[in-house]
Amino acid sequence: DVKVTQSSRYLVKRTGEKVFLECVQDMDHENMFWYRQDPGLGLRLIYFSYDVKMKEKGDIPEGYSVSREKKERFSLILESASTNQTSMYLCASSQIYWDRTNQPQHFGDGTRLSIL
Amino acid sequence: AQKITQTQPGMFVQEKEAVTLDCTYDTSDQSYGLFWYKQPSSGEMIFLIYQGSYDEQNATEGRYSLNFQKARKSANLVISASQLGDSAMYFCAIRSPDGNEKLTFGTGTRLTIIP
Repeated sequence: DVKVTQSSRYLVKRTGEKVFLECVQDMDHENMFWYRQDPGLGLRLIYFSYDVKMKEKGDIPEGYSVSREKKERFSLILESASTNQTSMYLCASSQIYWDRTNQPQHFGDGTRLSIL
Repeated sequence: AQKITQTQPGMFVQEKEAVTLDCTYDTSDQSYGLFWYKQPSSGEMIFLIYQGSYDEQNATEGRYSLNFQKARKSANLVISASQLGDSAMYFCAIRSPDGNEKLTFGTGTRLTIIP
């Protein structure tokens, strides 16, 4: 089974702090994603990466950056945390299948981040 | 841009009844994929079922089936014989066709099964 591991289930930080959320997958997937989930808004894509050192902005990248130095690890960085970044953060990974088969994204358990 | 609409914020269903969760989508692409995920209160996202835009038959996975109506751009999830463990948030998502496997999610439906 695919395993996507997020470093923390719960995290409390203060405004202005630099925050790192770590995600590791064990299935050699090319693609990795960071989403945030808010009530009534569903999941929104922050950033994704389709290869080491490659990254692309998602729908809501403002206030975030990412790092992918190794294939299995994808980090989300809040450069200067603000209270409006209090949210549930979900990491996912997937394989590239050029024949469009039904490979889903596999998700971690999520990190509930509170910025005080 | 692709969009998913889930119009049912919450549903209450009696145990053992069938339930249909609505999902409509908007895309200009001819090739696309539709996914349903379940999120229990513990937070993890569990993949349930997939439907490809060129699949001629509706997808089924155990008690889950997808009522795919392409002309209406509808991909409703049907859960047969509901169980208490089906209580969760359910998300419909559509995959971008550009090869990067991005998903666009709906806002979700919270399903509560009543004993």
